[in-house]
Amino acid sequence: DTAVSQTPKYLVTQMGNDKSIKCEQNLGHDTMYWYKQDSKKFLKIMFSYNNKELIINETVPNRFSPKSPDKAHLNLHINSLELGDSAVYFCASSQWTAGNTIYFGEGSWLTVV
Amino acid sequence: DQQVKQNSPSLSVQEGRISILNCDYTNSMFDYFLWYKKYPAEGPTFLISISSIKDKNEDGRFTVFLNKSAKHLSLHIVPSQPGDSAVYFCAARTNNAGNMLTFGGGTRLMVKP
Repeated sequence: DTAVSQTPKYLVTQMGNDKSIKCEQNLGHDTMYWYKQDSKKFLKIMFSYNNKELIINETVPNRFSPKSPDKAHLNLHINSLELGDSAVYFCASSQWTAGNTIYFGEGSWLTVV
Repeated sequence: DQQVKQNSPSLSVQEGRISILNCDYTNSMFDYFLWYKKYPAEGPTFLISISSIKDKNEDGRFTVFLNKSAKHLSLHIVPSQPGDSAVYFCAARTNNAGNMLTFGGGTRLMVKP
C-alpha cells in the first residue's frame, strides 16, 4: 500500500487554466505538506496544514491554495496557471510533533504550455 | 537566501569505497537535520537524521556527523554500493516550525561497480 499517494503523476495544461493535484495519506498522520521542486531541483515548502492551522510559505502566490476535506487528504488547487508554475509538486505527511519523519509522495510533474 | 547548501552537485565513487556528502547551513536556529535519498521519478525517502545536541548518528552503513560550530554536516556511506546511486538532499528544521523542512539543492551520487 502506498503511504502517500498523489494524482495525477503527469499533467500538461495551458496557461490560464485552473488545475488541482490530489493527495491522500493512509499513515494516520495529522499534518500534510506540499513541496515544490523547481527547475533548479530545489525542494521548497509551500504549505503545512494540520487540523489546527495552515502555515503558508510567504513566497507562494495566492493562486495556490490547499484544500483539506479531511485529515487524510490535502489537495493543491492552482488558479490561472503560469509558465513558471511548471515544476514537480510533492505531497508529504507526518505527525506535527517535531522530530517525526516526513513521508513524501512520488511527485506530480506539472508542465504549463 | 539559501539557508541550507550542498555545494557539490555531483559525486562519483567506486563501489566499496566511502562516499562523503557535505552540507552547510547558515541558520543557527536549526536544531534537527535530516538526509533524504531520491531516485528518479520517485519522492524523497528518509535516510537518517541527527539532533543538534549530538555530533554523530550511525545507522548501518550510514553515519551523519554534525559540527555545530562550523554549521556543517556530512553523510558518510561505507561501503558504497551501486544501489546507493541517487540524489541526496540535506534538510534542516527549526524547533518552532514543526516539521517544516528547509532543503539543500541535492548532491547526485554515482557509485560505479
